[in-house]
Amino acid sequence: SQTIHQWPATLVQPVGSPLSLECTVEGTSNPNLYWYRQAAGRGLQLLFYSVGIGQISSEVPQNLSASRPQDRQFILSSKKLLLSDSGFYLCASAPGQGADTQYFGPGTRLTVL
Amino acid sequence: AQSVTQPDIHITVSEGASLELRCNYSYGATPYLFWYVQSPGQGLQLLLKYFSGDTLVQGIKGFEAEFKRSQSSFNLRKPSVHWSDAAEYFCAVEAGGSYIPTFGRGTSLIVHP
Repeated sequence: SQTIHQWPATLVQPVGSPLSLECTVEGTSNPNLYWYRQAAGRGLQLLFYSVGIGQISSEVPQNLSASRPQDRQFILSSKKLLLSDSGFYLCASAPGQGADTQYFGPGTRLTVL
Repeated sequence: AQSVTQPDIHITVSEGASLELRCNYSYGATPYLFWYVQSPGQGLQLLLKYFSGDTLVQGIKGFEAEFKRSQSSFNLRKPSVHWSDAAEYFCAVEAGGSYIPTFGRGTSLIVHP
């Protein structure tokens, strides 16, 4: 089965600072990768997904960006954080061949002050 | 586009009581349906999924769900709740092969001793 690693686990950043969250996947190759944001008391909002290296689709226009430099590495970035970027960020991986089950990482709690 | 509704934000049950969490979806064809569970501060874990075939699906931790096409529902059930089942539960729907699930807003399960 797949294992999803995310770091850092917790992050406190000032408004206007840059952001880099990393996600790596073990136990599979050529997965579909996803970034979600979960605000307090709300469901999951899909931010980005990727079906391959260098292929990124954005679901929500905002000041965040994503990159996939390697097959099993997915990075979420921002040049300047906003207060509204605070939340719980989850990375997910799916086999990418029709099985459709997503495996989730432990998440990163981001607080922007 | 598909959508999913979880009408109950919070559900409170006593330990040992039965449980049913509701999920209604909107999608023109037969969807892929999922239930995930999230413990506080953690990622999501798949409980069960429905792709096709038998409409009663068995999952992990003693959970089951029944797909009812006529009611566009996929309710999650457990005959006897344990205190460790207290968590957030998410229903998700996906157009087959789209690889992009839509999550409900979640139902928070509280278990009283």
